[in-house]
Amino acid sequence: QLVLTQSPSASASLGASVRLTCTLSSGHSNYAVTWHQQQPEKGPRYLMKLNSDGSHTKGDGIPDRFSGSSSGAERYLTISSLQSDDEADYYCQTWGTGWVFGGGTKLTVL
Amino acid sequence: EVHLVESGGGLIQPGGSLRLSCAASGFAVSNHHMAWVRQAPGKGLKWVSTTYSGDSSFYADSVKGRFTISRDISKNTVYLQMNSLRAEDTAVYYCARATFGVVSWGRGTLVLVSS
Repeated sequence: QLVLTQSPSASASLGASVRLTCTLSSGHSNYAVTWHQQQPEKGPRYLMKLNSDGSHTKGDGIPDRFSGSSSGAERYLTISSLQSDDEADYYCQTWGTGWVFGGGTKLTVL
Repeated sequence: EVHLVESGGGLIQPGGSLRLSCAASGFAVSNHHMAWVRQAPGKGLKWVSTTYSGDSSFYADSVKGRFTISRDISKNTVYLQMNSLRAEDTAVYYCARATFGVVSWGRGTLVLVSS
């Protein structure tokens, strides 16, 4: 069964970097994922599509501070030079029969 | 520029029906993979339904047999017909487009199922 696993929460200091992880279930390590940001009381915002080789396609206007990388079944979203408005929920997503979402990671900027 | 605007949400009693609309601009819905995704209060994103450019459609198990996705090419609009609504269908419903893995989102419409 295709499942995406994310840690429920993460935190990092203003100006620092943070790496969020999305893990694909066994047998699905070659799947691409997308990353989405959801700020409080707003809809989701597409950040990037991240392939198994680490190549990624970012959405329009997404700053260079957001980058992606891959290792095996893990897909990473790294945010550098953290700003206060990076505090949000981050979801990874992929495609099986339908769309599959991870449970989301709530990022707190200290 | 891709633009998606959802409408049709509101307060509905359990067992009732609603039809959500997703008006698209900047592209033709007939040529793209379109989906509905929902988010219950305080919860994460959950896929509801997808229609592909070849007219095949898929549904989450929780809505299969109750919800129907369709599109009107003349109006460049995607619909979600929701029947036999339950309290657990309460959520913000988002329309989305996926093209080569790049996703575009609408702003959502709230459906509240309550007596």
